[in-house]
Amino acid sequence: AQKVTQAQTEISVVEKEDVTLDCVYETRDTTYYLFWYKQPPSGELVFLIRRNSFDEQNEISGRYSWNFQKSTSSFNFTITASQVVDSAVYFCALTMYNNNDMRFGAGTRLTVKP
Amino acid sequence: EAEVAQSPRYKITEKSQAVAFWCDPISGHATLYWYRQILGQGPELLVQFQDESVVDDSQLPKDRFSAERLKGVDSTLKIQPAELGDSAMYLCASSPKSRDRDGYTFGSGTRLTVV
Repeated sequence: AQKVTQAQTEISVVEKEDVTLDCVYETRDTTYYLFWYKQPPSGELVFLIRRNSFDEQNEISGRYSWNFQKSTSSFNFTITASQVVDSAVYFCALTMYNNNDMRFGAGTRLTVKP
Repeated sequence: EAEVAQSPRYKITEKSQAVAFWCDPISGHATLYWYRQILGQGPELLVQFQDESVVDDSQLPKDRFSAERLKGVDSTLKIQPAELGDSAMYLCASSPKSRDRDGYTFGSGTRLTVV
């Protein structure tokens, strides 16, 4: 079975702090894809990143970085120097190669205070 | 930038009434998905279309929910009769083709409140 766990329900930080959102996944497949989405109060899901299971390179995009570790089945997301506009719910998601059913975690609500 | 269009943005309906949501995917996207997101949870897949055909509706409560994509373009999701537990955000997504994770795009959703 495929499952995504985001153990942190809510995180609150002060602006300019770094924050890491955890994601742990379960799958028996060897080929799969991992995603992070941002959901602001307006409700739409904003795509942040996609990773396939064969690419364990960490990625940095501006203030965002992702740490993919197959050994621990984790795909953590770090925001450096957080800003108020980063406040949102962040979802980690998983799909298999032969199944587009995107399994989401429960989400982590991040609040960045000025 | 191309978008997945959904309407209405918000819908309030009384229980036992019928309600319908509409989704227009990005032009050329063959695969269309409907997800339901209950408050405080992640989205869950209800139904997946490949062109006009349903390829996965295993999580769709078929006694009250129906979905169609008659011409393989836009799609309608219907609930009849609506129940209080159906209150949720209904999200539509599309992708160029099955297994294509590039361009997997979500719409802004329809927020349904059943009273």
